[in-house]
Amino acid sequence: KAGVTQTPRYLIKTRGQQVTLSCSPISGHRSVSWYQQTPGQGLQFLFEYFSETQRNKGNFPGRFSGRQFSNSRSEMNVSTLELGDSALYLCASSSGTVNTGELFFGEGSRLTVL
Amino acid sequence: AQSVTQPDIHITVSEGASLELRCNYSYGATPYLFWYVQSPGQGLQLLLKYFSGDTLVQGIKGFEAEFKRSQSSFNLRKPSVHWSDAAEYFCAVGRGSNYKLTFGKGTLLTVNP
Repeated sequence: KAGVTQTPRYLIKTRGQQVTLSCSPISGHRSVSWYQQTPGQGLQFLFEYFSETQRNKGNFPGRFSGRQFSNSRSEMNVSTLELGDSALYLCASSSGTVNTGELFFGEGSRLTVL
Repeated sequence: AQSVTQPDIHITVSEGASLELRCNYSYGATPYLFWYVQSPGQGLQLLLKYFSGDTLVQGIKGFEAEFKRSQSSFNLRKPSVHWSDAAEYFCAVGRGSNYKLTFGKGTLLTVNP
């Protein structure tokens, strides 16, 4: 079974631009969560989607948004990029219906904002 | 609010030595507790989890963890460390149908030959 796939793996943007990151969950998984990982703040929860609906949301500004498609693939978007948005963005999938607590993580998209 | 504290930022052990990584949590109810491992350039992999029942849980790669409610702790242990265990380890807490996990800041493990 293929794992969680995130694209792109690396990207460089400049301040003020926007970026879209993509995540394909494990086949059959309907829940997709996004986390931001930085050296200073560690891993922080962004949001979680299930069946195309945002089910949980973390404490991030409105510049961070996401969506989920009918095939469970998810995208997150960051608008008006700031230097502090430089981070590893991790996507995780799970079944979404039975909470085993196990999140399956992708390798992440590393965003650098210049 | 829930929180997780990993007091040790960096630990160095010799190969073959025993290992204990500390984790303390703050949660309003009985939590679900997890340990994840992250190798350089990789995502996170679940080592083990605690939901209820036996407070000593076994995980993959020879790791185990013990839930101590009275100490609000969930320490990770391994009797004999291998060089391939060098990685960053994260403790996390969550609950029920809420798929939001709160992670500790992580402990970086270095293994000396």
